[in-house]
Amino acid sequence: DQQVKQNSPSLSVQEGRISILNCDYTNSMFDYFLWYKKYPAEGPTFLISISSIKDKNEDGRFTVFLNKSAKHLSLHIVPSQPGDSAVYFCAASEGTYKYIFGTGTRLKVLA
Amino acid sequence: EPEVTQTPSHQVTQMGQEVILRCVPISNHLYFYWYRQILGQKVEFLVSFYNNEISEKSEIFDDQFSVERPDGSNFTLKIRSTKLEDSAMYFCASIPSDAGELFFGEGSRLTVL
Repeated sequence: DQQVKQNSPSLSVQEGRISILNCDYTNSMFDYFLWYKKYPAEGPTFLISISSIKDKNEDGRFTVFLNKSAKHLSLHIVPSQPGDSAVYFCAASEGTYKYIFGTGTRLKVLA
Repeated sequence: EPEVTQTPSHQVTQMGQEVILRCVPISNHLYFYWYRQILGQKVEFLVSFYNNEISEKSEIFDDQFSVERPDGSNFTLKIRSTKLEDSAMYFCASIPSDAGELFFGEGSRLTVL
């Protein structure tokens, strides 16, 4: 039962352009959403989050958008930099005890 | 900056052996988690732990798995009799209160032969 899905396994973007990573979820009870960045053989690193009472949250080059009616969130990275190349996971939680992660999208930013 | 630390970084074991993976969460954190990632796959929830008891566990977390916080500092994951399919990266995570982002450790790679 895949409650959090990232349908694009990979994405390539030119340096300086916008990267848009997408995530869909099925559980309407999820109330907190997060994006993590992960390099090989390292733990996930938190990027940005959004609660279900908001539809947008911005932090520097990173913006997360939440569309509750569509059960969809997206991460925008502008401008994209080569150092952004990594695997990005979205995650969702209902309460504190369980955060569910998506399958990940490998972003490659081309110089 | 405080961080979650995990040991060992890599453990190789024979099938059927017991393994204990150790984590030291950030000191003022109250909620603790174990996740695993089989190579190239998603990060899967195993178990959450609060107030010295399991809060929630996934279907992966069967009777072969157990967790404990023996001394108020370490948070351990034990696999009683390892199987080949237990080979994965195991990540410990914690949060300070009942909301917020998970802080992850660097992971322990378990290889079962």
